[in-house]
Amino acid sequence: DAGVIQSPRHEVTEMGQEVTLRCKPISGHDYLFWYRQTMMRGLELLIYFNNNVPIDDSGMPEDRFSAKMPNASFSTLKIQPSEPRDSAVYFCAARGQGASGYTFGSGTRLTVV
Amino acid sequence: AQSVTQPDIHITVSEGASLELRCNYSYGATPYLFWYVQSPGQGLQLLLKYFSGDTLVQGIKGFEAEFKRSQSSFNLRKPSVHWSDAAEYFCAVGAGSGYSTLTFGKGTMLLVSP
Repeated sequence: DAGVIQSPRHEVTEMGQEVTLRCKPISGHDYLFWYRQTMMRGLELLIYFNNNVPIDDSGMPEDRFSAKMPNASFSTLKIQPSEPRDSAVYFCAARGQGASGYTFGSGTRLTVV
Repeated sequence: AQSVTQPDIHITVSEGASLELRCNYSYGATPYLFWYVQSPGQGLQLLLKYFSGDTLVQGIKGFEAEFKRSQSSFNLRKPSVHWSDAAEYFCAVGAGSGYSTLTFGKGTMLLVSP
């Protein structure tokens, strides 16, 4: 079991550019979550999917953010256009059925300059 | 809605000393409770979890936590801290057996002095 795999690990981009973060969840885990972590706000839930269907995207900060899960083994979080205030660590996490916790990926550290 | 409070932002403990990190939750029914640890540059790793039964739960790396319903607490403990335990620790709560999402506390940074 390779766990949750995120790419890239680090991303530096210029303001206004499009950024795409990728996540490969654990096979058989039906829930997938995208979190953002900053010093000021801590861990914020952005959106989560169940069986590839977006369930709650109320945490997505604005229309510049979008997320997709085209199949059970892949999800993307896109920011277009990016802004310096989007600089953060973005985590993907997966969860199986029943009483289980989350398994987190190693995160993508995004810096928008 | 549920919430989690970790009252200590930073804690410094001497190596070999005991550790207790505090966590208080707010939820009307029996919560599902978790402790995670985050080392620098890494994702969060599950230390232990409580769903029901014995209120003292054992986790990885020698950690344990005790659920106290009367105090709405789920404090994390370790009898002897090692320098490698220096990290940030997060408490999280799920709203009962049907929980979909976890609510995380803001974390406690553990510093270990020699």
